[in-house]
Amino acid sequence: EPEVTQTPSHQVTQMGQEVILRCVPISNHLYFYWYRQILGQKVEFLVSFYNNEISEKSEIFDDQFSVERPDGSNFTLKIRSTKLEDSAMYFCAAVPTEAKNIQYFGAGTRLSVL
Amino acid sequence: GEDVEQSLFLSVREGDSSVINCTYTDSSSTYLYWYKQEPGAGLQLLTYIFSNMDMKQDQRLTVLLNKKDKHLSLRIADTQTGDSAIYFCAEATDSWGKLQFGAGTQVVVTP
Repeated sequence: EPEVTQTPSHQVTQMGQEVILRCVPISNHLYFYWYRQILGQKVEFLVSFYNNEISEKSEIFDDQFSVERPDGSNFTLKIRSTKLEDSAMYFCAAVPTEAKNIQYFGAGTRLSVL
Repeated sequence: GEDVEQSLFLSVREGDSSVINCTYTDSSSTYLYWYKQEPGAGLQLLTYIFSNMDMKQDQRLTVLLNKKDKHLSLRIADTQTGDSAIYFCAEATDSWGKLQFGAGTQVVVTP
């Protein structure tokens, strides 16, 4: 199974602080995604990213969120000013070139906003 | 909007078969997936089926799709304690589209 790794596994931050979650490293992947899962709730789509552009984003993905893939390496999700309700598990997913309809997920980053 | 529904809990004895059910509302769903999540781990793809198929078998896993009723099921034969996990049903309308997930079914396998 194509490997998708995420760092850190757990991030604790104060409300109002900026956080950056990373997918590291990814090779031979085309599409990238971020999902989140608030404790006890469904896994929700945030954003998809292809060819250095956002392909689709959900209502959750407001101006406080941004994604980028600098230098074709890490795929990052930035939350500019975290709120308590941003506390969740954040999953990165990617589609490799050889399996175009399969999204492979990382182990997730648990974000705790205090 | 689109929705995916699953029962929340299933208890099964080791060695028996498990059947996890899922219903979805989006008639445009083209790809349907089953993911497994063990405690503290990510989402592991188990299997998937295209909407033009009725059934797919992969070792102990059998996926059945009733497109008319928008009903998907996952059967695990000879369930083992290592199968204890949360199982998520998900659908997508195109190859690289977002996944819409169900709430997950917690499967507990008892000796």
